[in-house]
This record gives sequence, structure tokens and C-alpha cells, in this order.
Amino acid sequence: QKEVEQNSGPLSVPEGAIASLNCTYSDRGSQSFFWYRQYSGKSPELIMFIYSNGDKEDGRFTAQLNKASQYVSLLIRDSQPSDSATYLCAPGGGGTSYGKLTFGQGTILTVHP
Amino acid sequence: DTGVSQDPRHKITKRGQNVTFRCDPISEHNRLYWYRQTLGQGPEFLTYFQNEAQLEKSRLLSDRFSAERPKGSFSTLEIQRTEQGDSAMYLCASSLTTGEQPQHFGDGTRLSIL
Repeated sequence: QKEVEQNSGPLSVPEGAIASLNCTYSDRGSQSFFWYRQYSGKSPELIMFIYSNGDKEDGRFTAQLNKASQYVSLLIRDSQPSDSATYLCAPGGGGTSYGKLTFGQGTILTVHP
Repeated sequence: DTGVSQDPRHKITKRGQNVTFRCDPISEHNRLYWYRQTLGQGPEFLTYFQNEAQLEKSRLLSDRFSAERPKGSFSTLEIQRTEQGDSAMYLCASSLTTGEQPQHFGDGTRLSIL
């Protein structure tokens, strides 16, 4: 079992729709969860982070965390073509791995006009 | 507030050569991280520093790899006797020290081994 698994892509949604990106993780010690967006050929860009169970909203983005289920998701409302990118889920290590991020393989999102 | 700066942006070298990359973190960030990313994969953790102390190293960091952060500011990552498999994007990130702070990435150094 991989440490971090993301829903296999590519994910294609029409402009204006909701894109749903999912991530499960194996390290129960993880305390913080980060979502990064990566455009082709560029470096990862932080878009959301969440520490507590429940939802966290920031503009068109909502992160959802369920530590009991070891599940974190990212919803993008009113998707735009500029949202087309790879989305990386990264639990932050707790316990003995403080500071280290373990990334999933990423989900490629395509928003078509 | 300048972001994380990495130099060079691209490096092409022949197999067997040594290469060194530099990373300048965001000025108030005490933590500095190195990751490696290959095509189609997420970044893989290599090592991280808190100030000048190297606190964790991945098993990916073979004896040919060494990282330093001598004064707790910029860091260097050296790869000796490069191999084809070292071709990747090398990413540096930095963060504040308090709790689990978000890491902010530089633009990366793309290494190509001929």
C-alpha cells in the first residue's frame, strides 16, 4: 500500500463544474495536510492546508479532512480552464517525521471550456 | 518578500561529473527542505534542515549525495559521480519552525545527465 494515494486521473470537468480530488494516507500520525497545484514544468504551489477534521474554505477551494478515515479531499467550485494542472496531496509527518512531506503521485485535472 | 530562490535553473552534465545546487530560502524561514521529482511522480523527500542542523535524511540520499547549510541560511546539495538515474527536478522548500507550517517551493533545478 502506498503511503499517499490520490484518485487516478486524468480528471476532466467542464468549465463551471465542481472538481473533486481525493486522497488517502496511511500514516495515522499525520497532523497537517497540504494541497499543492503544479502546472506543467513548474514547481508546486501551495493552495490549501488543513489541520483539523471538517471543512476549510478559501475562495473557490474547500479542503475536507477526516482523520478517522485517513481521508482528505479538495473541492474546486466553478472550475476554470486556468485550474488545469496536477494537484498534489501531501500529509505532513507527525511523530518522528516532523517536517517531512510525503506526496501522492498527483491527479491531473483538465477543465475544458 | 522574496520567495525561495534556486540556482541554477537548469544543469546539463555528463555522467560521472559532480554537480552542486544552491537554495536560498525565504529570509525568516528556519526550516529548509530538499526534494526530488521525476516525470509523472510527486516530489520525494531527500533531507531537511532546521537552522544549520540536518535533522532527517531519506534512504534515497545515497553516499553520493550530500547537503549542507553551514550558516543556517542558504543550502547546497551536491551530487558526486552523477548517474543517468539522477536526472530529475531538484526542489528546495522552506518554512517557519512553529508547528507544521506550510512549505513554499522554489522554481527548482532541472538536472539532465548525458
